[in-house]
Amino acid sequence: AQSVTQLDSHVSVSEGTPVLLRCNYSSSYSPSLFWYVQHPNKGLQLLLKYTSAATLVKGINGFEAEFKKSETSFHLTKPSAHMSDAAEYFCVIVNPNMRFGAGTRLTVKP
Amino acid sequence: ETGVTQTPRHLVMGMTNKKSLKCEQHLGHNAMYWYKQSAKKPLELMFVYNFKEQTENNSVPSRFSPECPNSSHLFLHLHTLQPEDSALYLCASSQGPYDRVNEQFFGPGTRLTVL
Repeated sequence: AQSVTQLDSHVSVSEGTPVLLRCNYSSSYSPSLFWYVQHPNKGLQLLLKYTSAATLVKGINGFEAEFKKSETSFHLTKPSAHMSDAAEYFCVIVNPNMRFGAGTRLTVKP
Repeated sequence: ETGVTQTPRHLVMGMTNKKSLKCEQHLGHNAMYWYKQSAKKPLELMFVYNFKEQTENNSVPSRFSPECPNSSHLFLHLHTLQPEDSALYLCASSQGPYDRVNEQFFGPGTRLTVL
């Protein structure tokens, strides 16, 4: 069965430091993987997606993620956190049905 | 209005009430979805509509009744709900059918509280 596991329910970083949000997936064949972000009182917004093209995917707001088949991972990174990045982040697998991870809450300290 | 809108944004109802949630997408999409987001649980897909036809119902209790009169509008009719149905209900739409490449665009959600 397909699934994603977000390894951290909460990540806290200081403004200007790197962000790493971890996601591992389980799938019987090559999946599509997405990262969505949800700001307070807002709907989810797509950050980036992997659909079997380039393994390093660049998204909006300086985020990127790398698909690593050998590690079954799709971690989300950003070189320098901004206060506006504080939100809930969801890793999503589509194979073919869409399954959401439990979410990682990112806190950014000034 | 642009994107996906949902009304009302907040709703409080008793267990014997009947209410409806409304979703409208202004993106010209052909597929629409209802999701339930409960605290500390992954987002749960409830219903999928493609070209006004329901193509997926993920074992949702019958006290939730969806309606899709056209590709731009989606309703969720609620009756005799339980307190555990309290959650954020999200609507989404996508250009193409529910598959591995079509990005879904989400509305802001309706925060439902059942007393």
